Amino acid sequence: EAGVAQSPRYKIIEKRQSVAFWCNPISGHATLYWYQQILGQGPKLLIQFQNNGVVDDSQLPKDRFSAERLKGVDSTLKIQPAKLEDSAVYLCASSLGPGLTGRETQYFGPGTRLLVL
Amino acid sequence: AQTVTQSQPEMSVQEAETVTLSCTYDTSESNYYLFWYKQPPSRQMILVIRQEAYKQQNATENRFSVNFQKAAKSFSLKISDSQLGDTAMYFCAFIRYNNNDMRFGAGTRLTVKP
Repeated sequence: EAGVAQSPRYKIIEKRQSVAFWCNPISGHATLYWYQQILGQGPKLLIQFQNNGVVDDSQLPKDRFSAERLKGVDSTLKIQPAKLEDSAVYLCASSLGPGLTGRETQYFGPGTRLLVL
Repeated sequence: AQTVTQSQPEMSVQEAETVTLSCTYDTSESNYYLFWYKQPPSRQMILVIRQEAYKQQNATENRFSVNFQKAAKSFSLKISDSQLGDTAMYFCAFIRYNNNDMRFGAGTRLTVKP
């Protein structure tokens, strides 16, 4: 079974530029998550989709971050414009069910490491 | 708000020995789940073990076991017979029942030495 795929693996941009990350979850997984992992910290949930609908985006900085999950499969996370403090690893995860209980195992991708200069 | 604290930024252990990683959390909820995740260098984060708060029995997965102390809000991970492949960052995480937001600790970097 293929795991969660993410691209690119690394990205370096200048501040105020825009950047986009792509995630392809495990086939058949209804729920998709985007996390931000700043160096030295644990991951922080940015947004959660169930199929193509947003379940929770309360921690997404909506003035500069946006995300979509077209057709309930792949997802794209965008930052525009980027700030220095956005330097982090962006992790995508997916789970089979709705993700509303701890019974659902989240499967993580390898992450995209972003450096904003 | 739920917070997760891992007080050991780094630990090391000799191969074949046992090590215990600490985690404490703060919540007013009675129903929740606790997790330990492993993040090897440059590799995906994977679930190691899960504990449901309403279960008194400590979870076990092969060489990995937990000591869940609900009253003390403590959730430690014991790794027995440590192997070189156990070298990784270990994250403790918490999620309320019927909630989306999984909270992670800052992690403990474990090095297994030959």
